[in-house]
Amino acid sequence: AAGVIQSPRHLIKEKRETATLKCYPIPRHDTVYWYQQGPGQDPQFLISFYEKMQSDKGSIPDRFSAQQFSDYHSELNMSSLELGDSALYFCASSSSGNGDTDTQYFGPGTRLTVL
Amino acid sequence: AQKITQTQPGMFVQEKEAVTLDCTYDTSDPSYGLFWYKQPSSGEMIFLIYQGSYDQQNATEGRYSLNFQKARKSANLVISASQLGDSAMYFCAMRENRDDKIIFGKGTRLHILP
Repeated sequence: AAGVIQSPRHLIKEKRETATLKCYPIPRHDTVYWYQQGPGQDPQFLISFYEKMQSDKGSIPDRFSAQQFSDYHSELNMSSLELGDSALYFCASSSSGNGDTDTQYFGPGTRLTVL
Repeated sequence: AQKITQTQPGMFVQEKEAVTLDCTYDTSDPSYGLFWYKQPSSGEMIFLIYQGSYDQQNATEGRYSLNFQKARKSANLVISASQLGDSAMYFCAMRENRDDKIIFGKGTRLHILP
């Protein structure tokens, strides 16, 4: 079965640079979520989109923005990167209204390292 | 406020034995879902099992079962006949149905010994 695709899988950036993370949800999934997992931490919710509209927002810094496109893929844009942004960034997707209780299926993650 | 508590930071279990990973939760929402995810050392987050707050029966998925005790706000994961490949971090998580976000516990690192 097709899974969530994230690219790139690894990314190394310098402080103050920008980064763009991409997420391709499972086919026919209409909701996308972004999570950040710091070293040794549990994942923290950043933001979610349903049918291309932002649906919920968590602890996402103002330096970050995200959007969902017409083909349902999503991008997380991160600017003025800081050392503390080094983390594993997960995208997850779910399908609303299919009786599957909106289980979120996670992608493999993008490991961002800020030097 | 939502909260997930996993009291076992680490566990060591002999291969082929059953193992129970503890999870308690707190919510004021009567409608919620409980999840368990597995995170191997490679980093991916793998969905294992789901339990809805209104489900009458405990969820099962292959070797995984969820011991749901609603009155105690407990959602323990039981893995039967453990295998070496079960060694990983396990996260208990919850989503209130009015929210999108999943809240995770701190995780339990499970080590299966040969």
